[in-house]
Amino acid sequence: GAVVSQHPSRVICKSGTSVKIECRSLDFQATTMFWYRQFPKQSLMLMATSNEGSKATYEQGVEKDKFLINHASLTLSTLTVTSAHPEDSSFYICSGSSISGGAMVEQYFGPGTRLTVT
Amino acid sequence: ILNVEQSPQSLHVQEGDSTNFTCSFPSSNFYALHWYRWETAKSPEALFVMTLNGDEKKKGRISATLNTKEGYSYLYIKGSQPEDSATYLCAFKVRGGADGLTFGKGTHLIIQP
Repeated sequence: GAVVSQHPSRVICKSGTSVKIECRSLDFQATTMFWYRQFPKQSLMLMATSNEGSKATYEQGVEKDKFLINHASLTLSTLTVTSAHPEDSSFYICSGSSISGGAMVEQYFGPGTRLTVT
Repeated sequence: ILNVEQSPQSLHVQEGDSTNFTCSFPSSNFYALHWYRWETAKSPEALFVMTLNGDEKKKGRISATLNTKEGYSYLYIKGSQPEDSATYLCAFKVRGGADGLTFGKGTHLIIQP
């Protein structure tokens, strides 16, 4: 399967600071990238969808001014958590997908980033 | 709000035994059902994507079936091995909706030697 990398794997930051997480598709062009998060004992929840060169579409309840997403190329998307607070502590994971024959094919996931805000 | 349920939540299986678990999803506006295997500290690995009612897919000792009319999918593992220990996630996509996936909480499988 296709490979997606994510960096960093773990980050600890102080409340009020910003954190950037990178997601890269290493061997395919991801026309669409997705960002999910997972709180303890919960399922992966979609936060936002981004298409290369376009503004991201955020799910209900996800603050677009807090979670800044940039998808400037077909192989890189970044998620910046601005002015992080302890309640933003979570596991963040990205996935990439490409279009084939007009239909979206499989989503390939990165290994995730554990964010702890102190 | 879409709800994807997986059962059981966790499962201990003796090495060599076969096992199966369930994913339930809304039967209306179905588009696709995905299965992933997720080992700790690794990326979720795509196992199957199924789109048609009655679909059956197989990958080695792992297979899956799909019933879109009643809204369930089964994942089967034949002759479990320790390396099968992982969390198995299913995820659902609606027709005409957002392209993102709605996930269940997963089934945590532990194979005991």
